[in-house]
Formats: sequence, structure tokens, C-alpha cells
Amino acid sequence: GEDVEQSLFLSVREGDSSVINCTYTDSSSTYLYWYKQEPGAGLQLLTYIFSNMDMKQDQRLTVLLNKKDKHLSLRIADTQTGDSAIYFCAEYGYNKLIFGAGTRLAVHP
Amino acid sequence: DTAVSQTPKYLVTQMGNDKSIKCEQNLGHDTMYWYKQDSKKFLKIMFSYNNKELIINETVPNRFSPKSPDKAHLNLHINSLELGDSAVYFCASSQEYSNNEKLFFGSGTQLSVL
Repeated sequence: GEDVEQSLFLSVREGDSSVINCTYTDSSSTYLYWYKQEPGAGLQLLTYIFSNMDMKQDQRLTVLLNKKDKHLSLRIADTQTGDSAIYFCAEYGYNKLIFGAGTRLAVHP
Repeated sequence: DTAVSQTPKYLVTQMGNDKSIKCEQNLGHDTMYWYKQDSKKFLKIMFSYNNKELIINETVPNRFSPKSPDKAHLNLHINSLELGDSAVYFCASSQEYSNNEKLFFGSGTQLSVL
């Protein structure tokens, strides 16, 4: 089926690392994405990874892909209050972009 | 300068009414989408148009009718609104229709059906 699953909530202290996890179903997905949604706004693409890669780093963001387990994670180093948002994992599968339900990240002092 | 703009931002209406949401993109993209986000933030694709042609039509009631007068516009008309239609509707666009498309989203239209 078309399921992208994520935990719904994560709370971290400012300055710590955040790790948001996701599992997907379509093993033929060629690209996997992380989008960020701030309150009252649309989704913005944060980063993406091609399925033949294990890891991608982009400044404070690190994406890890375990294709065997169909597991994707997003690590945010030195998490700041401005990182508070909902983070959506998405796979391109079944000829469309399928989103997870989103992980709400709360950053507290 | 907004890349993907949709109007209105808020829409409050009675059950049974007909309403439209407009979307325009100034990115020169070929493909546009409508997504529905429910109260639990779950985001699901409704329609996709590529160069004014319908390419994705998910299992959406036929009360929902998208219209693309040109590739920069994709409007969504909803007939006979129901309580369950209450949600945030997002328009999005991408350069083309392929398996590596980065979507650019509008800021959403919050529809409340009373």
C-alpha cells in the first residue's frame, strides 16, 4: 500500500540534535524528500536524497537512507527555536509524491 | 513576488454552497497540483495537471472539479460543500512531471464548512 509513516511528535532542547524517522513502502522510489511546514504556511523542500545514496549532508541537516529497511531519517544538528515546525517525509512512488503524516518538532530552551 | 499564490487564504461557508479556490504560479512551471491537508496534518494529493492536461485524479468526489485555463493557473471548484470538505487545500507546482520533482507550495486555503 501507499504508506509513509513517521512518529507524530518530537521535543528537543535547544542546541541538541533532533532525529526524525520515517519508513516508506515503495522500494522502487528513486527519490525521497524532507519538507518543512511552519505554522500557517505551505510546505518547503528542505532536502532530498537519491535512492542510490546512503547519506547526504547539507549544513546542519544530515539525511540517512537505509534502503534495505526502507528507513529514512533527518538529523538536525544544533537545533534552534526556528526549527520548530512540522517535518514531512515523502517518497516518489506509484507515480506520485506520497507524504507521511508529519512529525511536529518542538524546540524548548 | 510570491511564487505560488492561492486565494482566498480563508474560506468559511455553509454546507451545500459552491465555492472556488484560485491558484497561480509565476515560476514558469509546467505542472501544478492540488493537495488536501486534514486536521491531523495528513497531506494527500487530489489532482495534478501538466501543461493544462489532467494527469493525476485521485479518488476525489466529482463535486471537486479542477480547471486549468493555462499552465500558470489551476483553480479548484467545489460543488455542494459538505462538512467533511473542511481542510486546508494547498496548491503546488513543479518544473515538470517526473520522478524528481521539487514541489513549491502555496500558503494554503483554510476551508471551513459550517
